[in-house]
Amino acid sequence: QKEVEQNSGPLSVPEGAIASLNCTYSDRGSQSFFWYRQYSGKSPELIMSIYSNGDKEDGRFTAQLNKASQYVSLLIRDSQPSDSATYLCAVKGITGFQKLVFGTGTRLLVSP
Amino acid sequence: DTAVSQTPKYLVTQMGNDKSIKCEQNLGHDTMYWYKQDSKKFLKIMFSYNNKELIINETVPNRFSPKSPDKAHLNLHINSLELGDSAVYFCASSQDRGGQMYYGYTFGSGTRLTVV
Repeated sequence: QKEVEQNSGPLSVPEGAIASLNCTYSDRGSQSFFWYRQYSGKSPELIMSIYSNGDKEDGRFTAQLNKASQYVSLLIRDSQPSDSATYLCAVKGITGFQKLVFGTGTRLLVSP
Repeated sequence: DTAVSQTPKYLVTQMGNDKSIKCEQNLGHDTMYWYKQDSKKFLKIMFSYNNKELIINETVPNRFSPKSPDKAHLNLHINSLELGDSAVYFCASSQDRGGQMYYGYTFGSGTRLTVV
């Protein structure tokens, strides 16, 4: 079992729709969770972090965490073509000094 | 100001050669990392240094040797390059506060290594 799993996609949504990206993780003791966006040929950039169960909103982005289900998700409201990118879920476990484990990413395509 | 800078951005070299990639961060972070991203976009950690001390050394061939002269710099030297070493190598840094990584990593722009 992979430590962090994501559907590779592509996830295709029309402009203005809500994009829902999901991630599951295997280390039950994981403490910190991050979503990165990576455009083709570019480096990953941090868009959201979440540490407690529940929802965290930042502009059009909402991160949701459910530690009991070992599940974290990212919702993008009012999706724009500029949101088209690969979204990487990253998890910091209870073991592993300062190490983030990444999922393989979900490719999101927003069509105009 | 560039927060995490890597050089070179592109590196094309022949099998068997030795090459180095350099990384510098001006964020004052105390931990730096090397990650390898393969063609399927999977980011896998290779090494991590905290205040110049090696703290993570994943299963990486001995041909890869990191060096951290100070906490702002982390270099990666690769000996006897092989075709399978072709990938994008990312440097990253982070700052821990009270055991929590609140801000995640800041990544460098990456070095695309192509071995021919």
